[in-house]
Amino acid sequence: SQQGEEDPQALSIQEGENATMNCSYKTSINNLQWYRQNSGRGLVHLILIRSNEREKHSGRLRVTLDTSKKSSSLLITASRAADTASYFCATEGVQGAQKLVFGQGTRLTINP
Amino acid sequence: GAGVSQTPSNKVTEKGKYVELRCDPISGHTALYWYRQSLGQGPEFLIYFQGTGAADDSGLPNDRFFAVRPEGSVSTLKIQRTERGDSAVYLCASSLGGGGRGAKNIQYFGAGTRLSVL
Repeated sequence: SQQGEEDPQALSIQEGENATMNCSYKTSINNLQWYRQNSGRGLVHLILIRSNEREKHSGRLRVTLDTSKKSSSLLITASRAADTASYFCATEGVQGAQKLVFGQGTRLTINP
Repeated sequence: GAGVSQTPSNKVTEKGKYVELRCDPISGHTALYWYRQSLGQGPEFLIYFQGTGAADDSGLPNDRFFAVRPEGSVSTLKIQRTERGDSAVYLCASSLGGGGRGAKNIQYFGAGTRLSVL
């Protein structure tokens, strides 16, 4: 079963604009990770944020985490056509179970 | 190897047949995971190995599914008496393992095996 929901399910913007995706989850977590997937195949790890962190940056990516609201957001600045993909958040629980529980994903389309 | 390798990349089989899906993790990674992804959905956890043992198999849907990792490296996911509902992309991932909250927990995914049961 899915951990939570991602919002929006689909997002279409113009190249150069910023894209924001949100993720909500249900249980306490060890960390939260964001992945990108092209064409329904392998996932590429983007960024990991620990439960005691509130914000993290990596290049054009900015991730926030609010554990009180059980939510996270991924911001991609200055989007490019190559950013077109599905984006998934995934959480790892606190009990040492290292399985990831994924959301349903946001399908991002960048229009040139 | 440089990344997680999964074979075959595509598998077409008939209902009722037996299939094996192989995963070759990143060298040195002690943790290995199997997930299943249906169209339009996020990956769903199946089983997790730490070394040779299955540390968590709570995601296996029923006893037709079984996975092994006999030498702590390559893993095989086995599906008996396949059903049309088993059609999905099966993803394998590996990580350094060892617990904590940071980079050791990053899972690196293979390209997946697309299983089609006719």
